[in-house]
Amino acid sequence: ETGVTQSPTHLIKTRGQQVTLRCSSQSGHNTVSWYQQALGQGPQFIFQYYREEENGRGNFPPRFSGLQFPNYSSELNVNALELDDSALYLCASSLGDRRANYGYTFGSGTRLTVV
Amino acid sequence: KQEVTQIPAALSVPEGENLVLNCSFTDSAIYNLQWFRQDPGKGLTSLLLIQSSQREQTSGRLNASLDKSSGRSTLYIAASQPGDSATYLCAPSRNMLTFGGGTRLMVKP
Repeated sequence: ETGVTQSPTHLIKTRGQQVTLRCSSQSGHNTVSWYQQALGQGPQFIFQYYREEENGRGNFPPRFSGLQFPNYSSELNVNALELDDSALYLCASSLGDRRANYGYTFGSGTRLTVV
Repeated sequence: KQEVTQIPAALSVPEGENLVLNCSFTDSAIYNLQWFRQDPGKGLTSLLLIQSSQREQTSGRLNASLDKSSGRSTLYIAASQPGDSATYLCAPSRNMLTFGGGTRLMVKP
């Protein structure tokens, strides 16, 4: 059973650019969530996808968007990057439905630095 | 909106001590609660998952309790070791996790 895999591990972008982060879910999981973690803080919920549809969104602007594919892998896209977008981006997968989950597994994260 | 508070924010103890990490949350309408460990710059490792119908879960030297009605969970770490040094995060959940700021634990040899 493979875990959650995220790519790339590190990324440096310039303010105003666009970035795509990728996540492969754990085998058998149908839900994927993305979190942003600033240095010294707890992770903040960005959004969740269940069976390719968005199933909840946190307090993030529309320039944060995502996709979930038929194999339940996922992408996080961020447009018009700002310096404050520098953070560790975490992907987590779970087995669940629209209302509940049965425990999350996290990837190792992508460290994004915006300069 | 769910809000999570973890106390203490930081803890430094000598090796061998038994520890108690506290977590409180405002919305008791949860399905489960997970405790995670995070090493610096790394992802989150799940330690324990407690379903809302359960009172506690145990794994090795770790024991987590849940009092859903009062919005509290506690993580007990027995006989702490330097390898336990990390940030510990609790996350109550319906369909998504909500995190507090975590407890940064340092266990000194």
